[in-house]
Amino acid sequence: EVKLLESGGGLVQPGGSLRLSCAASGFTFTDFYMSWIRQPPGKAPEWLGVIRNKANGYTTEYNPSVKGRFTISRDNTQNILYLQMNTLRAEDTAIYYCARCMGIDYFDYWGQGVMVTVSS
Amino acid sequence: DIVLTQSPALAVSLGQRATISCRASQSVSTSSYNLMHWYQQKPGEQPKLLIYDASNLASGIPVRFSGSGSGTDFTLTINPVQADDIATYYCQQSRELYTFGAGTKLELK
Repeated sequence: EVKLLESGGGLVQPGGSLRLSCAASGFTFTDFYMSWIRQPPGKAPEWLGVIRNKANGYTTEYNPSVKGRFTISRDNTQNILYLQMNTLRAEDTAIYYCARCMGIDYFDYWGQGVMVTVSS
Repeated sequence: DIVLTQSPALAVSLGQRATISCRASQSVSTSSYNLMHWYQQKPGEQPKLLIYDASNLASGIPVRFSGSGSGTDFTLTINPVQADDIATYYCQQSRELYTFGAGTKLELK
């Protein structure tokens, strides 16, 4: 059974940093692209970035809205996906999901999400 | 960026057909694939994949859900609508990176 479990969310002050983790199980982690997606309360999901699979060299791609502030990485020995978020702003407040990409196109499994609140 | 436009809400009666549309600002189709996908989200839950590549039913999804379209215009159909289908539905394209529509909230008439 595919499972994705996010952790690391919480309250952070504007300008601060936070690192989210996503523990993956039930599939061969290195075979898949993995993404982070966020959803502000009451709004639509917003794709943040993707880290490709082993066959594609674990390269990354980001939404221009977060490029330079957010970094995605993966620990392929422990099957963990990370999202490092720096210089956080109030508008980064959202539920953050990790998701498995099927091929390079759609997200077939999502974690339950973790809340990040940026406020003083 | 490819922008996806959805109507904010749709009211439907139980047992009737619901048709939810999504229009892309430019084509999301290639010569081989229509790169539009649909998700269902209920309050407090993560989105769930319903349809991929415009018309393929995801695993475990009831056959009352179907998808169609190509180019810039796509449709998700639920027929017949059941009480468990009351949710918000999002389209998502993968032609150029990934973007989501703003969602259509399916409501009971």
